[in-house]
Amino acid sequence: AQKVTQAQTEISVVEKEDVTLDCVYETRDTTYYLFWYKQPPSGELVFLIRRNSFDEQNEISGRYSWNFQKSTSSFNFTITASQVVDSAVYFCALRWIQGAQKLVFGQGTRLTINP
Amino acid sequence: KAGVTQTPRYLIKTRGQQVTLSCSPISGHRSVSWYQQTPGQGLQFLFEYFSETQRNKGNFPGRFSGRQFSNSRSEMNVSTLELGDSALYLCASSGGLVDNEQFFGPGTRLTVL
Repeated sequence: AQKVTQAQTEISVVEKEDVTLDCVYETRDTTYYLFWYKQPPSGELVFLIRRNSFDEQNEISGRYSWNFQKSTSSFNFTITASQVVDSAVYFCALRWIQGAQKLVFGQGTRLTINP
Repeated sequence: KAGVTQTPRYLIKTRGQQVTLSCSPISGHRSVSWYQQTPGQGLQFLFEYFSETQRNKGNFPGRFSGRQFSNSRSEMNVSTLELGDSALYLCASSGGLVDNEQFFGPGTRLTVL
């Protein structure tokens, strides 16, 4: 079975602080994808990043960075110098590469950036 | 390129009624997936359609059904509505290949009274 755990239900920080969102996953599959999505108040899920299980290289995109560690089954997301516009619910998700388009989501972390 | 569209955006129904939600994928995309989002259960996969065939199905009762048309537009139907069906229903479209991304629509918020 596949499972994604986001232990942090809510995080609140002051603008310009760095913040890390944790994601731990469980799967028996050896080939899979990991994702992060952002859900602003409008409700639409916005794709942020995809990582496949063969590629443990960390990635940086502007103020966003992702740390994938297969040894600890973790795929953490860091926002550097947070901004108010980063306020949203963030979801980590897992998809078996052979599992068509079925995403298994974590429960989400509500991030609030205070000015 | 237009994004994924879902209609209606908001819907209010009463218990026992049925409802049909619609999703138009991004032009050229052949896969449409449906998800239910509730405060208690989070985001859960309902089913996926690819080229008019159901390719994958989540763990939901038979009251939840769907279909896909030849133009890739998809509809989701819920019969005999229950209070617990109140949720945000999200649709995602993709090319359908294993390394294709999924792009989500704005969702339909269903309230069952």
